Amino acid sequence: DTEVTQTPKHLVMGMTNKKSLKCEQHMGHRAMYWYKQKAKKPPELMFVYSYEKLSINESVPSRFSPECPNSSLLNLHLHALQPEDSALYLCASSQVPHSNLAGVKQYFGPGTRLTVT
Amino acid sequence: ELKVEQNPLFLSMQEGKNYTIYCNYSTTSDRLYWYRQDPGKSLESLFVLLSNGAVKQEGRLMASLDTKARLSTLHITAAVHDLSATYFCAAPANTGNQFYFGTGTSLTVIP
Repeated sequence: DTEVTQTPKHLVMGMTNKKSLKCEQHMGHRAMYWYKQKAKKPPELMFVYSYEKLSINESVPSRFSPECPNSSLLNLHLHALQPEDSALYLCASSQVPHSNLAGVKQYFGPGTRLTVT
Repeated sequence: ELKVEQNPLFLSMQEGKNYTIYCNYSTTSDRLYWYRQDPGKSLESLFVLLSNGAVKQEGRLMASLDTKARLSTLHITAAVHDLSATYFCAAPANTGNQFYFGTGTSLTVIP
């Protein structure tokens, strides 16, 4: 199984709502990622989890709160978002590089298209 | 912050022609990744290049890496319509799993 699943596929939320995005993989990967992608732009790294611990936070506003409850699941909790946060949110997973010289192949989920009204 | 630049940003080419997409990056990374993204879809990993001089080929696509020049290329041979997509390169920061994506090249193959 080389699939990363994400739910929901689409989400429309108001600026005062609280919602969560979910990501799941069963490839035994211990690194999981959240990316944000605006239309016609490259993905921007938001968070990286390694062995269920947050290892990288790319200065993301606190209205985005990641959570990794176990090695297969990754959540992104959303609260008080702004319209400019509307984007495609991509989850990915990979093996953890055993050194900073190792290469890893990332597997991406289909994404959640988020619209903030 | 690591910078990754691609050119061209847009590429329109006829079926059967050859072309090369270029990816320049700003650090001493010796690994480079290529991805494909179809409109409205997620990213698909194409190539993982792990060392200077690495060359990988899959079908009509061939990727290479020159770490001294901090340059990777994605060569398209005898393009077909199915190759129409956006192609991204990505380079990792020193941590190994902190990836920075290039600006993307939107490829359209015209019959």
